[in-house]
Amino acid sequence: DQQVKQNSPSLSVQEGRISILNCDYTNSMFDYFLWYKKYPAEGPTFLISISSIKDKNEDGRFTVFLNKSAKHLSLHIVPSQPGDSAVYFCAAIGGANNLFFGTGTRLTVIP
Amino acid sequence: DTGVSQDPRHKITKRGQNVTFRCDPISEHNRLYWYRQTLGQGPEFLTYFQNEAQLEKSRLLSDRFSAERPKGSFSTLEIQRTEQGDSAMYLCATIGTTEAFFGQGTRLTVV
Repeated sequence: DQQVKQNSPSLSVQEGRISILNCDYTNSMFDYFLWYKKYPAEGPTFLISISSIKDKNEDGRFTVFLNKSAKHLSLHIVPSQPGDSAVYFCAAIGGANNLFFGTGTRLTVIP
Repeated sequence: DTGVSQDPRHKITKRGQNVTFRCDPISEHNRLYWYRQTLGQGPEFLTYFQNEAQLEKSRLLSDRFSAERPKGSFSTLEIQRTEQGDSAMYLCATIGTTEAFFGQGTRLTVV
């Protein structure tokens, strides 16, 4: 049972434009959400997080939006850079502080 | 550098052999998790320790898998009688209330 879903396996964006990565979840008890970036053969690298009591968190070029009523969150990267090309995972913390992951979205930023 | 170390980074083994991986977590985090990631998938939860106590195991963790955290610090994950289906990236993470840090992972290839 996939509690965190990323329905777009890939996304291509022109350099300088906005990248929007989407994530949906099913468990309303999740209280913290995170985004990770992963390069091949490396572990996931933490990017940004958001508490369930907030609807927006911003850190430099990265902004995460949370819509609790829709059980949806998104990561905005603006402006997108070629170095942002990677697989992005959405994750949620719930239960015994377990971390539930989506299946990832591969972002390609075209120079 | 996330502060979580995993050893080895890569392991190639023949089917039927036993392998052991090690994780050294961030010292202040008492919760330690093991995940497995295969190509095109997000990390899948395997097991979880609170200090030295193993509190939860996924059904993915067959009898051939065993994990320990003897002194509540480093942890080991052993796979006995490896099978080709065990080939994956094995990730260790320490999770706090609002953040989670991953090691670089151990990539296992069973030939």
